[in-house]
Amino acid sequence: DSGVTQTPKHLITATGQRVTLRCSPRSGDLSVYWYQQSLDQGLQFLIQYYNGEERAKGNILERFSAQQFPDLHSELNLSSLELGDSALYFCASSAPGSVDTQYFGPGTRLTVL
Amino acid sequence: DQQVKQNSPSLSVQEGRISILNCDYTNSMFDYFLWYKKYPAEGPTFLISISSIKDKNEDGRFTVFLNKSAKHLSLHIVPSQPGDSAVYFCAASDSGGGADGLTFGKGTHLIIQP
Repeated sequence: DSGVTQTPKHLITATGQRVTLRCSPRSGDLSVYWYQQSLDQGLQFLIQYYNGEERAKGNILERFSAQQFPDLHSELNLSSLELGDSALYFCASSAPGSVDTQYFGPGTRLTVL
Repeated sequence: DQQVKQNSPSLSVQEGRISILNCDYTNSMFDYFLWYKKYPAEGPTFLISISSIKDKNEDGRFTVFLNKSAKHLSLHIVPSQPGDSAVYFCAASDSGGGADGLTFGKGTHLIIQP
């Protein structure tokens, strides 16, 4: 158990809908990262937040957004969903001063029908 | 353009022998490298890491070797155990602070044969 929690574990929805994925980092960690793992693409970095502020963006679509709240939990919002958005979404966190080592949550499996 | 490559999608090794997983990278700015292990339906689990100022790091049965001139790293597992059967991901960071997230390879599925 990495100490990073993600909810829900599974999510099934329809094209055009909007969903919110939630992540709670390990106690004391200030950085939260979101990754997408699709079948043929491997793990792709989406976005990073540090202590409530966006710090880095990767391959995140404009239909996707994220935020980190004062209690440091983070939410990833996916809107206007398409079939191709079906994937595993992982959240990771890292400690201040050791941000290169990221600890991953169990993931949310999103299925868009 | 894949900056981190794991060219072997799968590897089969007999229990008790050495498992060697390889990873190549193209971005010379990468300065920190990590290996993660992943079981089905679970998130990646951090295994071991190495900074670019070192060429070897050891932790129990796991050793990572870094050859900067060849832009190559490898993970050695010895002796291999049945519980080591999983997908192994190589990852790299280029900021020294993780600010851009990790760049992952596509993984190698390690199968330990009894």
